[in-house]
Amino acid sequence: DVKVTQSSRYLVKRTGEKVFLECVQDMDHENMFWYRQDPGLGLRLIYFSYDVKMKEKGDIPEGYSVSREKKERFSLILESASTNQTSMYLCASMPGTSYEQYFGPGTRLTVT
Amino acid sequence: GEDVEQSLFLSVREGDSSVINCTYTDSSSTYLYWYKQEPGAGLQLLTYIFSNMDMKQDQRLTVLLNKKDKHLSLRIADTQTGDSAIYFCAEMGGATNKLIFGTGTLLAVQP
Repeated sequence: DVKVTQSSRYLVKRTGEKVFLECVQDMDHENMFWYRQDPGLGLRLIYFSYDVKMKEKGDIPEGYSVSREKKERFSLILESASTNQTSMYLCASMPGTSYEQYFGPGTRLTVT
Repeated sequence: GEDVEQSLFLSVREGDSSVINCTYTDSSSTYLYWYKQEPGAGLQLLTYIFSNMDMKQDQRLTVLLNKKDKHLSLRIADTQTGDSAIYFCAEMGGATNKLIFGTGTLLAVQP
């Protein structure tokens, strides 16, 4: 069974704080993704990575950065959190040989 | 750019069939997906279909694809209360591994 885990289910941060969201997958997948989910907007892609140290911007990268130092771990960084980054953040991974993305349980981030 | 649209809400009675519809704009889509999200959980891949197929059946789930009209549907037979969730349609474009998601359809199953 593919397992994608995210470091926190719920997180509350203050405006201006630096926030790290961690995602780990245990299936040696090449591709990893960060999405945010907002009501009425579905999921929107923030960043993705197709290999260690590689990253590509998604549709809404502004205000975010990512890090992929090891194959199994993909981190999303909010350099200076703002209230409009309050959202559900979902991580996914996908093997290089298939087109199935597997999702983690999500982190609900509230920025006050 | 690419766009995927779904209706926001569907209500059915337990035991009836549910049909959730989706339209997309990218004619180069290679794969189309249905994901299920239960309250407070991540997304679970239900099924997907390659763009050269018209239909795929998996137990109670039937996916129909009309490529000419860019229309995808998910039929759930004998809908149960445990099927209550948000269902997301998604498409993968021809040139990238990126998924484009619809806004999700909330399926409410009445006992």
